[in-house]
Amino acid sequence: EPEVTQTPSHQVTQMGQEVILRCVPISNHLYFYWYRQILGQKVEFLVSFYNNEISEKSEIFDDQFSVERPDGSNFTLKIRSTKLEDSAMYFCASRYDRLEGPYNEQFFGPGTRLTVL
Amino acid sequence: KQEVTQIPAALSVPEGENLVLNCSFTDSAIYNLQWFRQDPGKGLTSLLLIQSSQREQTSGRLNASLDKSSGRSTLYIAASQPGDSATYLCAVAGANNLFFGTGTRLTVIP
Repeated sequence: EPEVTQTPSHQVTQMGQEVILRCVPISNHLYFYWYRQILGQKVEFLVSFYNNEISEKSEIFDDQFSVERPDGSNFTLKIRSTKLEDSAMYFCASRYDRLEGPYNEQFFGPGTRLTVL
Repeated sequence: KQEVTQIPAALSVPEGENLVLNCSFTDSAIYNLQWFRQDPGKGLTSLLLIQSSQREQTSGRLNASLDKSSGRSTLYIAASQPGDSATYLCAVAGANNLFFGTGTRLTVIP
């Protein structure tokens, strides 16, 4: 069964360093998302991406964040200058088609745990 | 802005008991609602998805209901087992993203 994959599973970085989190969405999906979950808190939306551009972003997604689909398969989240408070689990998700069912489920990857020291 | 609330925050039950987890949301203009399971330090496992036009979905011992007009969903777990111990999250789909609740941490005592 097709699945969303994410690499690495765990990334440790020093404060101020740049990190790139990678995701491979399900191949025929058209909509891509990043969410994060700080330890002990709820899952929060960061950004959605469709047709090679951002369709919506949250207040969290400030200038230090960027997303890119560099080729036909990868979807990346870059954090330019990491802060301690960026430590979290980052989830990638993808969705196939229109918002009205039945193909509107978001499928989630296993997550990347980012630790900023 | 959509707000999703889950009650209770934590629940402890003896093995074999049936239980209900609750989820409420403030904006009824949703496309679907998903229930997820999350084990400590792990990712999200999708359990059930209910489309906005549906009233319920069932998978094995799990049954989820949706009352969109009142902004409520329930997840019913029958004959609970220790392996069901986890945090259960509900999430409602807006046009561009999912809004998650804070979860219910379930402990099933053998």
